[in-house]
Amino acid sequence: AQTVTQSQPEMSVQEAETVTLSCTYDTSENNYYLFWYKQPPSRQMILVIRQEAYKQQNATENRFSVNFQKAAKSFSLKISDSQLGDTAMYFCAFMTTLNSGGSNYKLTFGKGTLLTVNP
Amino acid sequence: EAQVTQNPRYLITVTGKKLTVTCSQNMNHEYMSWYRQDPGLGLRQIYYSMNVEVTDKGDVPEGYKVSRKEKRNFPLILESPSPNQTSLYFCASRPSPILAGVYEQYFGPGTRLTVT
Repeated sequence: AQTVTQSQPEMSVQEAETVTLSCTYDTSENNYYLFWYKQPPSRQMILVIRQEAYKQQNATENRFSVNFQKAAKSFSLKISDSQLGDTAMYFCAFMTTLNSGGSNYKLTFGKGTLLTVNP
Repeated sequence: EAQVTQNPRYLITVTGKKLTVTCSQNMNHEYMSWYRQDPGLGLRQIYYSMNVEVTDKGDVPEGYKVSRKEKRNFPLILESPSPNQTSLYFCASRPSPILAGVYEQYFGPGTRLTVT
């Protein structure tokens, strides 16, 4: 079974500083996709950033970037210049195929990291 | 606007009273899925559907039913709700098979269900 581990249940950071959220996963597959989702108090699941496993270049979206280490099965999220609006629960997620044809993919979530940005 | 909608957004009910949470998407996605979110457990998949009339169990299907009679709709049915089904529920959709560059799931706004 695929597993996703987020080892930091809670983190806090001062506004304008940088914070890194950790995520590791376990798989024997070579082709998969990784995501970070943000869940603010509104409870909406918002896609922050995504990464295809076959791409060596780390994904970047404005202040959000990832450090993807395929051999170590690590996918950490770095938030630069933290803002109060970044306060949210962050979920790491991993998606891989369930069948040889590649038509059925399953998304597995970590348990989340609650990030608080302090003024 | 491309979106996944869920209704109701909030529901308080009593044990044993059948209920249905509706889910609809306007993106012509083949794949749809239901998740429940509980504190400390993240999101866990309940059921999913690869296409019309094709459904299968996820990780926590007990106590739930689904149907997929139309491509856009994927209702979640609780025939006899119990307090342990109190949770936050999300519906999601994505293209299937995965298209080049299009593989993320789109989530609905969530349904907060309380069973007393």
